Amino acid sequence: GEDVEQSLFLSVREGDSSVINCTYTDSSSTYLYWYKQEPGAGLQLLTYIFSNMDMKQDQRLTVLLNKKDKHLSLRIADTQTGDSAIYFCAESPYSGAGSYQLTFGKGTKLSVIP
Amino acid sequence: DTGVSQNPRHKITKRGQNVTFRCDPISEHNRLYWYRQTLGQGPEFLTYFQNEAQLEKSRLLSDRFSAERPKGSFSTLEIQRTEQGDSAMYLCASSLLILPPTADDHYGYTFGSGTRLTVV
Repeated sequence: GEDVEQSLFLSVREGDSSVINCTYTDSSSTYLYWYKQEPGAGLQLLTYIFSNMDMKQDQRLTVLLNKKDKHLSLRIADTQTGDSAIYFCAESPYSGAGSYQLTFGKGTKLSVIP
Repeated sequence: DTGVSQNPRHKITKRGQNVTFRCDPISEHNRLYWYRQTLGQGPEFLTYFQNEAQLEKSRLLSDRFSAERPKGSFSTLEIQRTEQGDSAMYLCASSLLILPPTADDHYGYTFGSGTRLTVV
């Protein structure tokens, strides 16, 4: 079955880089996502990567995928106080016309210290 | 388009009452999903629709839960005889799946802000 695990808390100083880690178990071709959730709000898609890629960069965000270890990381460069939120890792196996339901981790709460 | 809209934002109800939530997806999206998120957890899949057809239901969706998407546009989620364990944030999301899909297509959703249910 699918399982996604993340560390629960991360604290960084403003201006430093943040690295949030995630491990997943599904061995099939899969999409891997990072979502951001601010208090009382829904989820905002930050970035995604398909399992045939190793890295993806989008402005301050860098996603690294180690397929052998099933390890995914999200690096946020120059972390700002506005980045304080809960970050969820999620996976969705490629399934043709299938459901593409997401399996989420429990989320990593990022606290940015001014 | 203003994204995925959910109503109400908050609902407080007494145990045993019925509640209904509404989700209006992005208009051109053919898929609509419901997830439930409890405190300190990630969202969990409940069910999804392709147009008006409900194609999959999670085992989390007990007999007291029913979801509809009658015209393939908005959807409703009803919980009958609510229990305290139903207290959660109910999230709706929509996406566009164009067939036949390829491995490079992106299947990310757009989530709404959710309906927070408190059963007292």
